[in-house]
Amino acid sequence: GIQVEQSPPDLILQEGANSTLRCNFSDSVNNLQWFHQNPWGQLINLFYIPSGTKQNGRLSATTVATERYSLLYISSSQTTDSGVYFCAVGKRRDDKIIFGKGTRLHILP
Amino acid sequence: EPEVTQTPSHQVTQMGQEVILRCVPISNHLYFYWYRQILGQKVEFLVSFYNNEISEKSEIFDDQFSVERPDGSNFTLKIRSTKLEDSAMYFCASSRGGRGNTIYFGEGSWLTVV
Repeated sequence: GIQVEQSPPDLILQEGANSTLRCNFSDSVNNLQWFHQNPWGQLINLFYIPSGTKQNGRLSATTVATERYSLLYISSSQTTDSGVYFCAVGKRRDDKIIFGKGTRLHILP
Repeated sequence: EPEVTQTPSHQVTQMGQEVILRCVPISNHLYFYWYRQILGQKVEFLVSFYNNEISEKSEIFDDQFSVERPDGSNFTLKIRSTKLEDSAMYFCASSRGGRGNTIYFGEGSWLTVV
């Protein structure tokens, strides 16, 4: 099956810092989603981005499908950004999406 | 904004008991999914469901598990004879179309088997 690798596994930053999270995948995809799992366990949709670049406030994402990676940028981090960020991808012939192991982000006040 | 709703939010059950987790997908969505997340681990695919039948299932989804769409709005996951290792967060999800469509997740049902 498709492999999804996220880096770094853990990241600790001071409030106000910027961060870049990476997602590498091993096969062609037609679905790529970024999620934020908050401390209560909820999976919050951040982006649907199988290719190209999108921005939503302090967050932006870029997927380079031909090179099989996606980046999530968080600018001016706030403590509420803490949690686990998951990348999940869907292969061209699949309805489902497969999750990476996530990046655990801690934003210190 | 429409959302996927799940009940119960938390259930504690005795080992060996049967559990039914319920989900109401987004109303115009046609594809339904169950995922699970054991504490501290990644989110794992269990099963996808379309047109009133299972379209794909993972190795985790063995004979202990079943899914059903008993009416036009609910989508359920039944776990028979629960084991300690079934303790996990179970997420229901739905999408309007299949491949290449955004998948929306519910808030999860936390199952504790004691």
